[in-house]
Amino acid sequence: GQNIDQPTEMTATEGAIVQINCTYQTSGFNGLFWYQQHAGEAPTFLSYNVLDGLEEKGRFSSFLSRSKGYSYLLLKELQMKDSASYLCAVRDPFTSGTYKYIFGTGTRLKVLA
Amino acid sequence: DVKVTQSSRYLVKRTGEKVFLECVQDMDHENMFWYRQDPGLGLRLIYFSYDVKMKEKGDIPEGYSVSREKKERFSLILESASTNQTSMYLCASSSGLAGGRESKNIQYFGAGTRLSVL
Repeated sequence: GQNIDQPTEMTATEGAIVQINCTYQTSGFNGLFWYQQHAGEAPTFLSYNVLDGLEEKGRFSSFLSRSKGYSYLLLKELQMKDSASYLCAVRDPFTSGTYKYIFGTGTRLKVLA
Repeated sequence: DVKVTQSSRYLVKRTGEKVFLECVQDMDHENMFWYRQDPGLGLRLIYFSYDVKMKEKGDIPEGYSVSREKKERFSLILESASTNQTSMYLCASSSGLAGGRESKNIQYFGAGTRLSVL
């Protein structure tokens, strides 16, 4: 079956570093995405991994290990505005050449002053 | 900037009503998606479309239908709304087919429609 697991909730302090893990089991794989979603707003794209390794973009980094079905999102120098839900999503190709995204339930991050 | 616009932010309907949720994107994207988002269940795919008049069922298509007559517009239809369809509905679009590894085909989301069925 298709399954993506991430912790439900995490809490961290302003200025700290936090790592949000995501494990997946899907029938196919064509990339892993991280999205940020503030309460009441649309998800917005944060990062994309399709090859193993670390992708860095400013304060945010994302890591992928395809053999382990594992990814993490690393947030450095946390700010209050980083309080949001973080969604892990795997792109799963169809045989027709199209694809769909499978989302985890999201990790709600609270940043405390 | 990519813009995905959903026609309503909040909608209240009665059981049995026919409901139309509209989504328009302005980036000439081939793919469009409808999700619903519920607490503890995350985003679940209802339907998606990879071309005009083409559609594929997602994970939870029961009770829904879709229409894509023009490339920029993707409509979600609840033929006879029920209380268990009370949810947040999110539309998304992305470009092209899943190409080579460099092809991100990022999904861009609309702001969502919070539908309450009474």
